[in-house]
Amino acid sequence: DTGVSQNPRHKITKRGQNVTFRCDPISEHNRLYWYRQTLGQGPEFLTYFQNEAQLEKSRLLSDRFSAERPKGSFSTLEIQRTEQGDSAMYLCASSLTGGFTNYGYTFGSGTRLTVV
Amino acid sequence: AQRVTQPEKLLSVFKGAPVELKCNYSYSGSPELFWYVQYSRQRLQLLLRHISRESIKGFTADLNKGETSFHLKKPFAQEEDSAMYYCALGGGSGGGADGLTFGKGTHLIIQP
Repeated sequence: DTGVSQNPRHKITKRGQNVTFRCDPISEHNRLYWYRQTLGQGPEFLTYFQNEAQLEKSRLLSDRFSAERPKGSFSTLEIQRTEQGDSAMYLCASSLTGGFTNYGYTFGSGTRLTVV
Repeated sequence: AQRVTQPEKLLSVFKGAPVELKCNYSYSGSPELFWYVQYSRQRLQLLLRHISRESIKGFTADLNKGETSFHLKKPFAQEEDSAMYYCALGGGSGGGADGLTFGKGTHLIIQP
């Protein structure tokens, strides 16, 4: 296991198109998170899963954003009808959580989305 | 609402000098605080957690609930410490397990 893997590394798409990103977490990590990072800002929390259950999705930026983790392993983040404002780095992270303690995230390298 | 403030966008110090990266937070509950670091062309990685009270790469951070601060310190800076540093706050019913609020980051440059 070489860590959290994200694909693709870069994505250029035309405005209005749908895009999907994939994240493969560290296999023994039960939690998976999606963040967005724009230039000059820290990562912004979008959603997270514990195993296959999506426990928080109110922070997704709009109803054009959706995420899945169907078997509790890899996850996908989809953006429908992309807009130029969606251009950002999309980060995935995973963590091992015991009770209320977060042992800290392991981040992937991110997918950089450019909407033209 | 949760908020993390890192007042310095850029901090430049000479090698061997002490470093202090400031972080202030706003949260009404019991916070979990973290420092993450991103070296050039590398992914974001965990540096330290307040709950473990550890020292990593010579860095320490003490949670001061009275001042709502979690400043990162190192007594003698090294050139390899040059990186982007983010302070992050966890809260809510799941502690830090249900998503973190990050500050905007401080770019630390260590001059030779």
